[in-house]
Amino acid sequence: GQQVMQIPQYQHVQEGEDFTTYCNSSTTLSNIQWYKQRPGGHPVFLIQLVKSGEVKKQKRLTFQFGEAKKNSSLHITATQTTDVGTYFCAGLVYNFNKFYFGSGTKLNVKP
Amino acid sequence: DAGITQSPRHKVTETGTPVTLRCHQTENHRYMYWYRQDPGHGLRLIHYSYGVKDTDKGEVSDGYSVSRSKTEDFLLTLESATSSQTSVYFCAIGQQAGQPQHFGDGTRLSIL
Repeated sequence: GQQVMQIPQYQHVQEGEDFTTYCNSSTTLSNIQWYKQRPGGHPVFLIQLVKSGEVKKQKRLTFQFGEAKKNSSLHITATQTTDVGTYFCAGLVYNFNKFYFGSGTKLNVKP
Repeated sequence: DAGITQSPRHKVTETGTPVTLRCHQTENHRYMYWYRQDPGHGLRLIHYSYGVKDTDKGEVSDGYSVSRSKTEDFLLTLESATSSQTSVYFCAIGQQAGQPQHFGDGTRLSIL
């Protein structure tokens, strides 16, 4: 079964509102990556988190990795229409050389 | 964007026919991956390769085979296509296991 769960599946926000998507794994992860896929496009790497409790920021985006390395979140402050797309997390399970992707959160931003 | 080319970009074929998708990279990355993307399932790993002639199964490998005879090429074959294999297929590359992956533009495959 799917090892990495991601919620919510969809999120519709007004431009300027905040947005958060969450990933949870049934097993401890070596690291977690986040990707963004624009409509009709391919996934593009955003960031990688490796350490327990790690927090990284990219402009309006804040990424967190949980203390137990089983969950992660992506928070966007003051969304813009350019944030539209589907956001995926991908967790690397210990002792496996393969990533398990979450099912993605599709973000729609109304201007 | 990383030098990854998938071919064909679109294909329509009939149930029972063999299909081969090609992924070509110019980055000399060791790892290459094949994923399928379906609504509600995100990206699911089919097979991956960690070197020439070195491959391993992913979570949805049944009905698929792969080959990697050269560093730059990774082929995905559906020996006898079924309608359940209608999907968008993405190839990705990575320098090392656990490192960021760079994706190709995808192949939209429809099996009627």
